[in-house]
Amino acid sequence: QKEVEQNSGPLSVPEGAIASLNCTYSDRGSQSFFWYRQYSGKSPELIMSIYSNGDKEDGRFTAQLNKASQYVSLLIRDSQPSDSATYLCAVNKEAAGNKLTFGGGTRVLVKP
Amino acid sequence: DVKVTQSSRYLVKRTGEKVFLECVQDMDHENMFWYRQDPGLGLRLIYFSYDVKMKEKGDIPEGYSVSREKKERFSLILESASTNQTSMYLCASSLYQGAMRNTIYFGEGSWLTVV
Repeated sequence: QKEVEQNSGPLSVPEGAIASLNCTYSDRGSQSFFWYRQYSGKSPELIMSIYSNGDKEDGRFTAQLNKASQYVSLLIRDSQPSDSATYLCAVNKEAAGNKLTFGGGTRVLVKP
Repeated sequence: DVKVTQSSRYLVKRTGEKVFLECVQDMDHENMFWYRQDPGLGLRLIYFSYDVKMKEKGDIPEGYSVSREKKERFSLILESASTNQTSMYLCASSLYQGAMRNTIYFGEGSWLTVV
């Protein structure tokens, strides 16, 4: 079992709809959770971080964390063609210091 | 803004060559990382460093070494390049180890092709 798992997609979403991305992790000692967006040929950029159970909203993005079930999700509301990218889930275990473990990424395609 | 600069964006090297990938960050970050990214395999950590002259192996250190002589610079070295090291290499940096919530910032990536 991979430490951090994501559905590779592609997740096809009509423009204006909600894109829902999921990520599960195996280590219950995980403390910090991040979502990165990566455009083709570019480096990852941080879009959300979440540390406590519940929801965290930032503009059109909402991250949801459920430590008991060991999953973290990302919702993109009012999806735009510019949201088409690969979204990487990353997890930080306390024992690992500041070292992140990444999932394989979910490719999102927003169709006009 | 944090800037992580990878000096070489695109390289083509021959099998057996020694390859240096350089990375510089301008935010006085203690932590620096080298990842490689391959289709279907995601980002995998090669080496990381918490301080000058300190280094620790990541998940896939075989065939690589690193050097951190100055805080702002972290170099990845392929001692004898092989075709299976063809990949995109990403350098990253973050603040100190104790704060779990520090963001990792990535450079623009170096595309290495070994022929």
